[in-house]
Amino acid sequence: GESVGLHLPTLSVQEGDNSIINCAYSNSASDYFIWYKQESGKGPQFIIDIRSNMDKRQGQRVTVLLNKTVKHLSLQIAATQPGDSAVYFCAEMMDSSYKLIFGSGTRLLVRP
Amino acid sequence: DTGVSQDPRHKITKRGQNVTFRCDPISEHNRLYWYRQTLGQGPEFLTYFQNEAQLEKSRLLSDRFSAERPKGSFSTLEIQRTEQGDSAMYLCASSSTINYEQYFGPGTRLTVT
Repeated sequence: GESVGLHLPTLSVQEGDNSIINCAYSNSASDYFIWYKQESGKGPQFIIDIRSNMDKRQGQRVTVLLNKTVKHLSLQIAATQPGDSAVYFCAEMMDSSYKLIFGSGTRLLVRP
Repeated sequence: DTGVSQDPRHKITKRGQNVTFRCDPISEHNRLYWYRQTLGQGPEFLTYFQNEAQLEKSRLLSDRFSAERPKGSFSTLEIQRTEQGDSAMYLCASSSTINYEQYFGPGTRLTVT
């Protein structure tokens, strides 16, 4: 069935370094991909999204890369800060359905 | 605060009891979604509404679960005859018809004892 998964369950980085969080998706028909950040006790917070007709999109300190050939999505965070510590989820959606399909998450730990 | 709000934030109930959760979406959003999240997992889609119409339901939504959005504004999710396996965080999200971005509320954490 449809699924979105992550390669690494936990990522530990030094403050100031760049972080890369990866995600593999299985539904080649997905039209839209999103990264969410979730802090303990809170709901997911939108970070950045990308349509399937794009391969890169940049935001403030974050970049999302989409490789449809290998069905891979990544989130790059520049100059990682302690406030970036959280669980990060990728999610996918098809235009024909508005439901988001989430992966199991990667925990990002930022070392001071 | 104009974000998505959910009530209650925490609910502890005994097995077999009924519970009801409420979600208030962002006021101009006409799409509303319910998800369930268990520890260490990503949220799982349950159902969504466009205005007052319930347009899609997951197979996860058993007969004991019912969701309503009677006036196209707030929504309720009711679980009847709760089971321990229902223990989870129940998340609500909303979006407009202009873009796909879903904004999530803080969730209601349900514990069934």
